[in-house]
Amino acid sequence: EPEVTQTPSHQVTQMGQEVILRCVPISNHLYFYWYRQILGQKVEFLVSFYNNEISEKSEIFDDQFSVERPDGSNFTLKIRSTKLEDSAMYFCASNLETQYFGPGTRLLVL
Amino acid sequence: RKEVEQDPGPFNVPEGATVAFNCTYSNSASQSFFWYRQDCRKEPKLLMSVYSSGNEDGRFTAQLNRASQYISLLIRDSKLSDSATYLCVVTPSGSARQLTFGSGTQLTVLP
Repeated sequence: EPEVTQTPSHQVTQMGQEVILRCVPISNHLYFYWYRQILGQKVEFLVSFYNNEISEKSEIFDDQFSVERPDGSNFTLKIRSTKLEDSAMYFCASNLETQYFGPGTRLLVL
Repeated sequence: RKEVEQDPGPFNVPEGATVAFNCTYSNSASQSFFWYRQDCRKEPKLLMSVYSSGNEDGRFTAQLNRASQYISLLIRDSKLSDSATYLCVVTPSGSARQLTFGSGTQLTVLP
């Protein structure tokens, strides 16, 4: 069964550093998303991406965040200058109809 | 008011029990409704979509009441493997596809 994959599974970084989280959505899917989940809290929508552009973003998705689909398969989330409060699990998702989630990247900002 | 509200639990039930979870949502124009399950430190996985007419998938039954803005999930004959956090999820009006999650209800099925 096709699945969404994410790399790395874990990332530790220093405050102020840039991180890039990578995702490979399911190949025939058209819509791509990033969500985050701070430990012990609910899953929160960050951004959706369709037809090579952002279609929606939440208030969490400020100027420190960017997304890109650099080639036909990868979908990336960049955090330019990480803050302590960016520590969370970041999930990528894709869909035609049903959204399927990747296993997540656990980001720890020190 | 939270967009999607759930009783956080925890619900601790014996194997074989029937358990029900409830959820309310604030946006009356919400379009689509789902139950996802999330195991500890894992990604959310779709359990079932929820339709106005109610729907059943094996031991799981979901109901939607649009007038009351209320969604329910019933699990019959609980198994140990049902232990997880159950997430009530809606797609808001005006949004093509983003999902809005509740905080989840934690279920532990005990042997």
